[in-house]
Amino acid sequence: AQKITQTQPGMFVQEKEAVTLDCTYDTSDPSYGLFWYKQPSSGEMIFLIYQGSYDQQNATEGRYSLNFQKARKSANLVISASQLGDSAMYFCAMRDSRYNSGGSNYKLTFGKGTLLTVNP
Amino acid sequence: DADVTQTPRNRITKTGKRIMLECSQTKGHDRMYWYRQDPGLGLRLIYYSFDVKDINKGEISDGYSVSRQAQAKFSLSLESAIPNQTALYFCATSHLDRGNYGYTFGSGTRLTVV
Repeated sequence: AQKITQTQPGMFVQEKEAVTLDCTYDTSDPSYGLFWYKQPSSGEMIFLIYQGSYDQQNATEGRYSLNFQKARKSANLVISASQLGDSAMYFCAMRDSRYNSGGSNYKLTFGKGTLLTVNP
Repeated sequence: DADVTQTPRNRITKTGKRIMLECSQTKGHDRMYWYRQDPGLGLRLIYYSFDVKDINKGEISDGYSVSRQAQAKFSLSLESAIPNQTALYFCATSHLDRGNYGYTFGSGTRLTVV
């Protein structure tokens, strides 16, 4: 079963406007972490922001903020004041801590991504 | 130097050939991972290793093998490459940072099997 769902294959936003990229997740583990990564056309994976399941406040990093709604199992990324350089693929990912026979797991599971295009 | 280095950056190989993708890291992280990325599918886990003696299959390990030669090195092999293994491959490491696990990705290896 898919654990991370990004329902927006593509999004468009005007430069300087804010945009929200959706992410919902599914886990039965009470301890987990949620990540957002940016992948520009050059291909590298750039870490943007992290939210822990026990964090009381929504994470923020500069123009990025994570709208964490635990009861709804959603972790949407908000980019304020979009810039042309924000055009990229964005991935939501979850790290859980389910134990396997060898110890704690801590694997990252990714959504399929959202391609964001910022228009001038 | 990058924290996680993947070689080669690009490779074109023929069907049936054996190919090895290499990953090395300078951070001393215990955990290392291999992912592949296909358009529209996100990143999927191939293999992961928590230390030199611990190797685990991910969700799509068929057709691949790995070797953890040292804490800093984790290699992915395609014993007999096939065209549907054409993809972007990422190596990653993870570490405990301020009580949570963070992940560092290499720059990726773009593999084309013809």
